[in-house]
Amino acid sequence: DTAVSQTPKYLVTQMGNDKSIKCEQNLGHDTMYWYKQDSKKFLKIMFSYNNKELIINETVPNRFSPKSPDKAHLNLHINSLELGDSAVYFCASSPLGLASTGELFFGEGSRLTVL
Amino acid sequence: DAKTTQPNSMESNEEEPVHLPCNHSTISGTDYIHWYRQLPSQGPEYVIHGLTSNVNNRMASLAIAEDRKSSTLILHRATLRDAAVYYCILRGGGTSYGKLTFGQGTILTVHP
Repeated sequence: DTAVSQTPKYLVTQMGNDKSIKCEQNLGHDTMYWYKQDSKKFLKIMFSYNNKELIINETVPNRFSPKSPDKAHLNLHINSLELGDSAVYFCASSPLGLASTGELFFGEGSRLTVL
Repeated sequence: DAKTTQPNSMESNEEEPVHLPCNHSTISGTDYIHWYRQLPSQGPEYVIHGLTSNVNNRMASLAIAEDRKSSTLILHRATLRDAAVYYCILRGGGTSYGKLTFGQGTILTVHP
């Protein structure tokens, strides 16, 4: 069973479009994240949600809107896509109650290509 | 965020031990030292973490210097599957404990 699953795995779209990436975790974790890995392979946190509440927002453009319908899901919606949004987006989760472990479980990533 | 410095790349032979160094001279007293790795076309994978004492788990060992300004990830017997980018990360506590700041990491190549 996949612990953190993201869909779609690949997404190719035109500039100006709106797209969503979905993430689900079946680990029973309280906290979920979105990370972005750019073309230079740097991974940076975008958002963090704890029990559907936003706790980290790393100055991401407001074209990016995370939505957490429940603690097992954290979706990422991107409006008016730009070329610079092309990247691999990783969803992750962690158990807040075991904060001392600090272990994040990452999905396999969603590669977004904006043409 | 306190920064870490790692070599860009390292090479090893299969079944030999690998020592991956990391410098973090600006580490604060409450920062945990984490190691993650990323295999090609996959998401990062947790390897190990520690605060002050050396740590062992089924994947690796973490040796932390007494002054905590450096640490070494030890893979006891490298396999081809261990070829990956290894990230040394400092993590603070509180509500941003999930905020991992990834650097460039060390690309580990394992030769058969």
